Amino acid sequence: GAVVSQHPSRVICKSGTSVKIECRSLDFQATTMFWYRQFPKKSLMLMATSNEGSKATYEQGVEKDKFLINHASLTLSTLTVTSAHPEDSSFYICSARDLGLLYEAFFGQGTRLTVV
Amino acid sequence: AQSVAQPEDQVNVAEGNPLTVKCTYSVSGNPYLFWYVQYPNRGLQFLLKYITGDNLVKGSYGFEAEFNKSQTSFHLKKPSALVSDSALYFCAVRDPLNSGNTPLVFGKGTRLSVIA
Repeated sequence: GAVVSQHPSRVICKSGTSVKIECRSLDFQATTMFWYRQFPKKSLMLMATSNEGSKATYEQGVEKDKFLINHASLTLSTLTVTSAHPEDSSFYICSARDLGLLYEAFFGQGTRLTVV
Repeated sequence: AQSVAQPEDQVNVAEGNPLTVKCTYSVSGNPYLFWYVQYPNRGLQFLLKYITGDNLVKGSYGFEAEFNKSQTSFHLKKPSALVSDSALYFCAVRDPLNSGNTPLVFGKGTRLSVIA
């Protein structure tokens, strides 16, 4: 299946700093990628849909200025958590769909963010 | 609106016994259905999907699922559980009537524990 690589897998940052998470489709082009947040023992919450070459579409309740998404190429989307606070600590997962396969989505390995 | 229900937070099964993880869905048309598995601090791995055709779908690691349109269910099954199957399992749905790159809608997840 298609491979989605997410980096870093773990990051610890201080409150007030910004953290960038990268999501790459390694062997296919993804015009659209999705960013999810997962709380402990909870399901995945869709944060935003990242569209190559245009603005991301954010879900209700997700702060656009806090979670900056850039999808500058067909293989890379980035999520930047700006001015991070401890409550932003979570597991973030990206997903992309290989349009050639049409149906299922493929996921990155996730990023564990801890804000101290 | 599409939705997925996984009625069990936790399923416990003895190694070697058959396992079932339940999933029901709600969409306006014929659904695309998926099962994913998540190991601790990892992203989601695709297990299997139902798009059309045979109601019994076989997937990775010996898992299978049966699409039941009348009961709007897509339960995940395995004839003989392994301890290594212990993980978090997510059912997901996508409504093919929604055009474009729509994200998957996930259930809340079911934690499977296989006891030796």
